[in-house]
Amino acid sequence: DGGITQSPKYLFRKEGQNVTLSCEQNLNHDAMYWYRQDPGQGLRLIYYSQIVNDFQKGDIAEGYSVSREKKESFPLTVTSAQKNPTAFYLCASSMGDTQYFGPGTRLTVL
Amino acid sequence: GQQLNQSPQSMFIQEGEDVSMNCTSSSIFNTWLWYKQDPGEGPVLLIALYKAGELTSNGRLTAQFGITRKDSFLNISASIPSDVGIYFCAGRSVNAGGTSYGKLTFGQGTILTVHP
Repeated sequence: DGGITQSPKYLFRKEGQNVTLSCEQNLNHDAMYWYRQDPGQGLRLIYYSQIVNDFQKGDIAEGYSVSREKKESFPLTVTSAQKNPTAFYLCASSMGDTQYFGPGTRLTVL
Repeated sequence: GQQLNQSPQSMFIQEGEDVSMNCTSSSIFNTWLWYKQDPGEGPVLLIALYKAGELTSNGRLTAQFGITRKDSFLNISASIPSDVGIYFCAGRSVNAGGTSYGKLTFGQGTILTVHP
């Protein structure tokens, strides 16, 4: 079954802790993306990667970090520097302009 | 940065009614995409448009890439309760070339409620 998986679905962390969100795809897509969605709002781009070992900051990269060591994987780390990390995080991948999304991870920082 | 104006922000309709929503941009777009998002889930691609004037259907859904390349609309005919959700438009501006390959701009979403 081809697709994008994100784990876990729900994540709880204490304030001040770093946390890493997983994103894996088996669609053989070159590009991968991380978005943040807040209640009642659209999607905001955090980071994106067009190829392995390369990535660029999106519109709200502060307090986040990523790596792209494998084509299939694009993990996102939410660091303690992110001032308001509680949100719904979405990973996507694309070949060309058409992006396909994973099911999302809801992160709650207590 | 780029902005997309999506309207309406929300719609409350009766089952069986037709629905129309649209997105407009201040700049020319190469690609228009329409997604639906259910609560707590990731957006699912409904229709992708790549050419000005293109009209594409997917079941009861029809979307068009505006001839000016600055707008797109989505129509849903004969709505049913499972059409409930948030509909997003997204597009790639002609200015987003080079290193912005694949980078999309998203509308704020239209919340659709269907009363049985």
